Amino acid sequence: DAKTTQPPSMDCAEGRAANLPCNHSTISGNEYVYWYRQIHSQGPQYIIHGLKNNETNEMASLIITEDRKSSTLILPHATLRDTAVYYCIVRNNDMRFGAGTRLTVKP
Amino acid sequence: EAGVAQSPRYKIIEKRQSVAFWCNPISGHATLYWYQQILGQGPKLLIQFQNNGVVDDSQLPKDRFSAERLKGVDSTLKIQPAKLEDSAVYLCASSTEGRMKTQYFGPGTRLLVL
Repeated sequence: DAKTTQPPSMDCAEGRAANLPCNHSTISGNEYVYWYRQIHSQGPQYIIHGLKNNETNEMASLIITEDRKSSTLILPHATLRDTAVYYCIVRNNDMRFGAGTRLTVKP
Repeated sequence: EAGVAQSPRYKIIEKRQSVAFWCNPISGHATLYWYQQILGQGPKLLIQFQNNGVVDDSQLPKDRFSAERLKGVDSTLKIQPAKLEDSAVYLCASSTEGRMKTQYFGPGTRLLVL
């Protein structure tokens, strides 16, 4: 699977949009981009995934660049409960987690 | 819908002892995964089952780790004997059958080996 690069940490003000970037420059044509998050002392939670098109669900939006070499997860109105480690995974079949981005939402 | 259940939530043992973890996947999920998550790192896949058969155990340290899923539902992961470096959170996940299916994770078992 392609390797991903994420910033180790980010802060966001409560109520503002949180934009989490992910670089995956070696992604191949049949690999999906998945996002999970892990709140302290819990298991990872699925957020969203996509192949080429932008995706939106009740939790977040996923923006994938046209060349598919990077993507951004957007939490439109971050709350304190969104504080977690966010993992970007490029997936052909199995999932390989990196270290993720630790997002801290501040009041 | 009930999620993935795991027990115990916490376990403390001394090195060279044995320990077992239990996982009950989401009802109807044919695929079950065990991951190891060391502090500060992302989860690492140890073993994947499809029903009661092993699909991938390439990352499982087979000299001390074993796992089974005898009836294609519940699964147990065992470590015998435990080492200090086995201290980690052991996560179980499940998904429906097929490639690229979304995995749903349990809360994990936190193991401390002294």
